[in-house]
Amino acid sequence: SAVISQKPSRDICQRGTSLTIQCQVDSQVTMMFWYRQQPGQSLTLIATANQGSEATYESGFVIDKFPISRPNLTFSTLTVSNMSPEDSSIYLCSAGTSGNNEQFFGPGTRLTVL
Amino acid sequence: EDQVTQSPEALRLQEGESSSLNCSYTVSGLRGLFWYRQDPGKGPEFLFTLYSAGEEKEKERLKATLTKKESFLHITAPKPEDSATYLCAVPSMDSNYQLIWGAGTKLIIKP
Repeated sequence: SAVISQKPSRDICQRGTSLTIQCQVDSQVTMMFWYRQQPGQSLTLIATANQGSEATYESGFVIDKFPISRPNLTFSTLTVSNMSPEDSSIYLCSAGTSGNNEQFFGPGTRLTVL
Repeated sequence: EDQVTQSPEALRLQEGESSSLNCSYTVSGLRGLFWYRQDPGKGPEFLFTLYSAGEEKEKERLKATLTKKESFLHITAPKPEDSATYLCAVPSMDSNYQLIWGAGTKLIIKP
């Protein structure tokens, strides 16, 4: 299993600003993912962070709104751009290795947009 | 279409009262079924992976089982610290790595 940390753990932001969330894994992993979880809801995949290439976004999510970086096999960032109150959510990073599809999650970043 | 359905949405039990949570799935060519536990305000914690019908996994008071159509998470003599939301997920057939998630069962154990 992998141990995953996220920064910040929470933030309160003003409408129209951007926030970058960092995800650090304690070992090299093949796959890293970014999810959003609304209160009381299940997880929604935003994108797969690919090392060395552009992220793969799910339907309803676009790069201009959620730019993602993955400079190496242990680190990724997600930026929530031009935020609105509708972006208030928990953002989760996960990681896994190819072969068994198991994913391990970070503690999440609780974002509130005023 | 790949789908995962969990029931019940919420379950309240007295401490020591055993029960089961259900996760039914419709996906061709199952490549694993995953159970997670999520505490409020935290990321999901990995519990089990099941790969084939008849397989069972245990961890403390939890036992996960798998059939060709569903999985059960049995909780035996639960304690208040077992209170959490339990999520199950299966790999999507459309993607090598994307998981299809159930909505979760919120389990509350009253002392």
